[in-house]
This record gives sequence, C-alpha cells and structure tokens, in this order.
Amino acid sequence: ETGVTQSPTHLIKTRGQQVTLRCSSQSGHNTVSWYQQALGQGPQFIFQYYREEENGRGNFPPRFSGLQFPNYSSELNVNALELDDSALYLCASSLGSGLAGDWATDTQYFGPGTRLTVL
Amino acid sequence: DQQVKQNSPSLSVQEGRISILNCDYTNSMFDYFLWYKKYPAEGPTFLISISSIKDKNEDGRFTVFLNKSAKHLSLHIVPSQPGDSAVYFCAATLYNNNDMRFGAGTRLTVKP
Repeated sequence: ETGVTQSPTHLIKTRGQQVTLRCSSQSGHNTVSWYQQALGQGPQFIFQYYREEENGRGNFPPRFSGLQFPNYSSELNVNALELDDSALYLCASSLGSGLAGDWATDTQYFGPGTRLTVL
Repeated sequence: DQQVKQNSPSLSVQEGRISILNCDYTNSMFDYFLWYKKYPAEGPTFLISISSIKDKNEDGRFTVFLNKSAKHLSLHIVPSQPGDSAVYFCAATLYNNNDMRFGAGTRLTVKP
C-alpha cells in the first residue's frame, strides 16, 4: 500500500497567475481533502471530494477549485493568485463512506505537501 | 475565527518524563477531537482521538483527556522518547461537518 504523494514539492508563482497542485491518494480511498497551512498556523480546511463530487467546503473563495479522478488522483486549482495564498498545501485521503457521520472518525492520511510561494 | 487554540508554541522535556500538550477550543458543539504528529518534510499523521462522550482515551504511551466543561483537551505522553520530538496538532470537528479545525501546533522536543 503506497502512501499519499503530492507534486510538485515546491512552486513559485507570481500574483495573478494560476496554479495546479496534484495529489495521489492511497489506492481504494474514495475521499480526498485539501488543506492550506500558512506559516505558523495549523492546516485550514479548503474542501473535500468524495467519489469525484465536492462534499464540503471551508471558508475559501471560488477561485479555489478542485477535481478528483477515478484513479485516486486529485487536483487543487487556484486562480488569480494573491500574495496571501503563499502556504503549504496538504492533501489527505481517507477510505470514505460518504456518510457525514463517518467522516470525522475516518482516519486521514496526509501527503507531505506542496510549498507554494506567490511573489 | 480560530476555534481551536494551542497556546504553547513549544515544549521541552527530558527523556523518560511525561509530556503534556494542551489544547483549548471555543465551540461547545464539537463532537470529535484528534491529535496529529508532524515530522519535518512529512504530512501530519494521526495519533489518537476521542469522542465528546468520553473523557479519556488511551493508546500505549499516549493518553488524551477531554474536559468538556472547560473546553480543554490534553495529550499525555509517558514516558517521552526522543523519537516523539515533532510538532503536535490538535483538531476538532463535528460528526456532520467535514470542516476539521486545527490548532497552530506545539513543537515538542524530547532531550536524551
């Protein structure tokens, strides 16, 4: 069983550009969640996908969007980058039943993250 | 709106002693609480959790205590080992909401 991987490791963009971050979940995991971790803070929930459908969203604007694919990979897209988007972006996969009551207890497996710097 | 707070950015303890990491929360509706451990250049890994209907959960050297009236959570590590040196995050969530809230983390250093 392979772990959760993310690419690229580091990325530098300029303000106004668009970026796509990628995540490969553990095989068989139907749920992927994305988090933003600013320097000195804990991860902040962006959104979650379950079987290719968005299944919940945190307090992030629509320029943060995602995709989940049947091969257990997923993407986080950010348009019109702002300086405050500079952060570590983490994805986490879990088995996922789709039931709201199960989500909290479903163990999340995090990838190592992508460090995004916006200049 | 920071609903989960870890007020100690760092903690240093001697090998073999107890490590106590603390966490406070403001939302009394939280149902489930978790602790994650993070090593440098790795993602957080799940350590231990506790439901709001319990006040203690134990897993080997790790015990989590929940005081709902004080809205306070703590993680005890006994005995502490150098390999426990990492950043520890507490997190809280509602069963019917997947917006998990994390604290800012506490860096634990266990000295040999």
